[in-house]
Amino acid sequence: GESVGLHLPTLSVQEGDNSIINCAYSNSASDYFIWYKQESGKGPQFIIDIRSNMDKRQGQRVTVLLNKTVKHLSLQIAATQPGDSAVYFCAESQGQGAQKLVFGQGTRLTINP
Amino acid sequence: EAGVAQSPRYKIIEKRQSVAFWCNPISGHATLYWYQQILGQGPKLLIQFQNNGVVDDSQLPKDRFSAERLKGVDSTLKIQPAKLEDSAVYLCASSLFPGETQYFGPGTRLLVL
Repeated sequence: GESVGLHLPTLSVQEGDNSIINCAYSNSASDYFIWYKQESGKGPQFIIDIRSNMDKRQGQRVTVLLNKTVKHLSLQIAATQPGDSAVYFCAESQGQGAQKLVFGQGTRLTINP
Repeated sequence: EAGVAQSPRYKIIEKRQSVAFWCNPISGHATLYWYQQILGQGPKLLIQFQNNGVVDDSQLPKDRFSAERLKGVDSTLKIQPAKLEDSAVYLCASSLFPGETQYFGPGTRLLVL
């Protein structure tokens, strides 16, 4: 499980650099994973998803990597832009696609100019 | 395409008062979710509807929380009586079918004093 509290893990990167956000999930039976981006005052926004029969999936400027052996998920953002500043959540689900999502604590990404 | 609509956006009440939140999902989406997001944490599922029926309310504190989706479109979430620990953002999400990608509304920020 994830720790709880007011202090989110944070990641600061320079504009134009690549960002890697990590997530450890808890349920070895989870077979669907999804990344959401949440900007201040807004609801979570879908970024990319991956099923457990894959270990990598690419989108526009984003790549998700899945390592089932160590129950680890990562989100890579290429050429980070100021608009990428947000809190990023990973979520997992077992056997039901995007239902019954269990969200992690989140990571706050800050872009330095 | 219009997104998920929620109202009000902000609400401040005193403990032991009641409050209601409203959600209008994306047109045609059969599945509707309510989440609670406490500051610094990821969203936690409260209840899932499929059309006008409840699919999962296992994490809904039923002694004080209730939700309905009578006509299978709009939904309301009520808290009565509110406690201090209910202070959170209440997010509504919808998906076309169970297991499909969930799209979130902007949320209602509740402060209980």
